[in-house]
Amino acid sequence: RKEVEQDPGPFNVPEGATVAFNCTYSNSASQSFFWYRQDCRKEPKLLMSVYSSGNEDGRFTAQLNRASQYISLLIRDSKLSDSATYLCVVNIRGYQKVTFGIGTKLQVIP
Amino acid sequence: DVKVTQSSRYLVKRTGEKVFLECVQDMDHENMFWYRQDPGLGLRLIYFSYDVKMKEKGDIPEGYSVSREKKERFSLILESASTNQTSMYLCASSINYEQYFGPGTRLTVT
Repeated sequence: RKEVEQDPGPFNVPEGATVAFNCTYSNSASQSFFWYRQDCRKEPKLLMSVYSSGNEDGRFTAQLNRASQYISLLIRDSKLSDSATYLCVVNIRGYQKVTFGIGTKLQVIP
Repeated sequence: DVKVTQSSRYLVKRTGEKVFLECVQDMDHENMFWYRQDPGLGLRLIYFSYDVKMKEKGDIPEGYSVSREKKERFSLILESASTNQTSMYLCASSINYEQYFGPGTRLTVT
């Protein structure tokens, strides 16, 4: 089983729609979680950290479910500019490195 | 803002050549990383460094080496380039497990 798993998509959604992605992780010692955004032919950029209590940044909400070992990203009122690949990232306690999921591609359609 | 720069955006090399990819960060981060990104495989960790002159193998170190003589600079070396090393190479520096990427080097080995 992969350490971090994501549905690669693509998810094609109309403008204004709400879309949610999940990411599962296999190691119960995982302690830090992040969502990154990667535009086509660009480097990944940190979108948001995921806290145990969940966190929100504008139209974006991230949540952590430790019992089921997954994190989620919810995007409300999708914009054309949200079209990108969203990468789930996990750090395991005691390690300096992180593990990236393969990414979920989102295409917002006019 | 964290700034991570990479020496080249595009590079074309011949099989058997020695290739140097340079990465510089300006935020005094302890940790630096080299990844390669390939379609369908996502980001894979080649090597990372948590201090000057310290390095650790990532998931796919074969055919690569690294050098970190100064805190701000982390170099990736392909000792004898091969066609299967054609890829996008991404450098990152990190604090609190948050990774900040350079723009990437697209390397083609012919």
